[in-house]
Amino acid sequence: SYELTQPLSVSVALGQTARITCGGNNIGSKNVHWYQQKPGQAPVLVIYRDSNRPSGIPERFSGSNSGNTATLTISRAQAGDEADYYCQVWDSSIVVFGGGTKLTVL
Amino acid sequence: EVQLVESGGGLVQPGGSLRLSCAASGFTFSSYWMSWVRQAPGKGLEWVANIKQDGSEKYYVDSVKGRFTISRDNAKNSLYLQMNSLRAEDTAVYYCARAVEMATMESYYYYMDVWGKGTTVTVSS
Repeated sequence: SYELTQPLSVSVALGQTARITCGGNNIGSKNVHWYQQKPGQAPVLVIYRDSNRPSGIPERFSGSNSGNTATLTISRAQAGDEADYYCQVWDSSIVVFGGGTKLTVL
Repeated sequence: EVQLVESGGGLVQPGGSLRLSCAASGFTFSSYWMSWVRQAPGKGLEWVANIKQDGSEKYYVDSVKGRFTISRDNAKNSLYLQMNSLRAEDTAVYYCARAVEMATMESYYYYMDVWGKGTTVTVSS
């Protein structure tokens, strides 16, 4: 089965740029989606189809996908961006989530 | 307002059954694939099951095959998850989610754009 690998944690200084990676075999050939989940809340879609932002998601959130790595980039990180982030793909009729990355804003 | 509201969670003994419901509003329910996703305490997201708009296609994670059944009633704008033979490892918050699905010449994609707040299932004696 297809696996997605994310770092357990990423730290970023307030106002700086955070990059969260999602690794998978030839993931560049798939559509990657990203969700943000704050403690006690449901997940929220922040990026779909590699690099598209749903309405209401700040332009500070962007995504890219190539080769074996997809990346979620959060520019000018704010305290409110502290959350768990999950990547997701579709593979062989199932939904696959990465293990999640905890983003800490210092 | 687009909304999904789950219900039916609770405490159940191992081997027991539970039926979760998800009430949809604010969009044309019959036009969307729907999914159940769960999250065990302190763990990540785990997809559980999907169902096509007309219920003709259903997919499950291996760990629930033969025990869980996803279904929908488009006339009632409702999604269901029948859970039988429950195990301790099924303990989780269960989310209902609306899915966007598309197949193109180049690729296929499936993602969840609207989520409910979740309902908690605890399997314990």
